[in-house]
Amino acid sequence: QSALTQPPSASGSPGQSVTISCTGSSSDVGGYNYVSWYQQHPGKAPKLLIYEVTQRPAGVPNRFSGSKSGNTASLNVSGLQAEDEADYYCSSYANINAWVFGGGTKLTVL
Amino acid sequence: EVQLVESGGGLVQPGGSLRLSCAASGFSFSKVWMQWVRQAPGKGLVWVSRIESDGTDRSYADSVKGRFTISRDNAKNTLYLQMNSLRADDTAVYFCVRTLYFAFDMWGQGTMVTVSP
Repeated sequence: QSALTQPPSASGSPGQSVTISCTGSSSDVGGYNYVSWYQQHPGKAPKLLIYEVTQRPAGVPNRFSGSKSGNTASLNVSGLQAEDEADYYCSSYANINAWVFGGGTKLTVL
Repeated sequence: EVQLVESGGGLVQPGGSLRLSCAASGFSFSKVWMQWVRQAPGKGLVWVSRIESDGTDRSYADSVKGRFTISRDNAKNTLYLQMNSLRADDTAVYFCVRTLYFAFDMWGQGTMVTVSP
């Protein structure tokens, strides 16, 4: 149950786009289309942004989009806004009814 | 209102035990998988445990296997986490989470567990 690999930080100016990567293995990200992404503001509970690699729950802006290629998943945030500044985590279903998270990426809106 | 409310956290000595509870409301609790996720201070999210809707199947992270037990009472709409043989590295905020489409779609506010002499 090794953690997925995310860059510790990412940044962009308002209106720009930023992509956060999430690298795992064939036992998790590459083996299942059950990658999800979460946004967490300081002191708050995480919020689901993307599930099943590309699906957005109701209420999540279409500025947030997900994709996957091989063992790497990605979250793209377009049209950056100040309120997008937060920590972002990826997660994947893994073998034998286990889940694994990435280490988190701190997104700074410059 | 759809919500999850955790309770039972607190300060416990190493080797001690604690039971967390999570009261669910506003949705069909008995029909969904539930999980626990924790977050140590200043650190990332870590998956802890999962239980199927009827409670018959459970799974655990290697770090807690044999020490923690997840359970549920569907009649009371409540999820539990019994934590035994607690260690300093179990110190974290513990989140109760609903699972849909293999994702964590609804989170409680969390309850803090501190393991310290």
